[in-house]
Amino acid sequence: DVKVTQSSRYLVKRTGEKVFLECVQDMDHENMFWYRQDPGLGLRLIYFSYDVKMKEKGDIPEGYSVSREKKERFSLILESASTNQTSMYLCASSRDAYEQYFGPGTRLTVT
Amino acid sequence: GENVEQHPSTLSVQEGDSAVIKCTYSDSASNYFPWYKQELGKRPQLIIDIRSNVGEKKDQRIAVTLNKTAKHFSLHITETQPEDSAVYFCAASGSGGKLIFGQGTELSVKP
Repeated sequence: DVKVTQSSRYLVKRTGEKVFLECVQDMDHENMFWYRQDPGLGLRLIYFSYDVKMKEKGDIPEGYSVSREKKERFSLILESASTNQTSMYLCASSRDAYEQYFGPGTRLTVT
Repeated sequence: GENVEQHPSTLSVQEGDSAVIKCTYSDSASNYFPWYKQELGKRPQLIIDIRSNVGEKKDQRIAVTLNKTAKHFSLHITETQPEDSAVYFCAASGSGGKLIFGQGTELSVKP
């Protein structure tokens, strides 16, 4: 059974702080993704990675960066958190270009 | 650019009725169309998917139809039950193995 975990379910940070969101998958998947979920906007892709040390920009990469030093771990970094980054963040992984398995999400509030 | 439009944004039905959610996509190269269900407070989970070489797929009370010429696909749920209440997302495969998600449909099944 595929398991995707995220480091925090809820996180509260102050404006300007550096924020790290961690995602770990245990199925040796090559592909990993970070999405942001906002009401009425669906799931928007921030960044994705096909392999260790590889990253590709998604639809809304501004204000974010990522790191993938190990195959099982994909980190999302907010260099200087802003209030408009308050959102639900979902990580996902996949073996191929098809089914993606999601983590439980991190609800981030920036005050 | 790559885009998926999903309608309606909210849908309320009586228990036992059918529910239909529709999506259109822009990229004619898309060849994979999954549907995800997200219950309140939980992660999105795949409920059914279809590839471009078939026009319809059914799994018990759930079916998906695909019209590649018109670039639209639909989710059909028959004999709805209260536990079908959730947010449903459609998606279409994009360039580089991404999934492009629709905006989501909040389905409410009233007992």
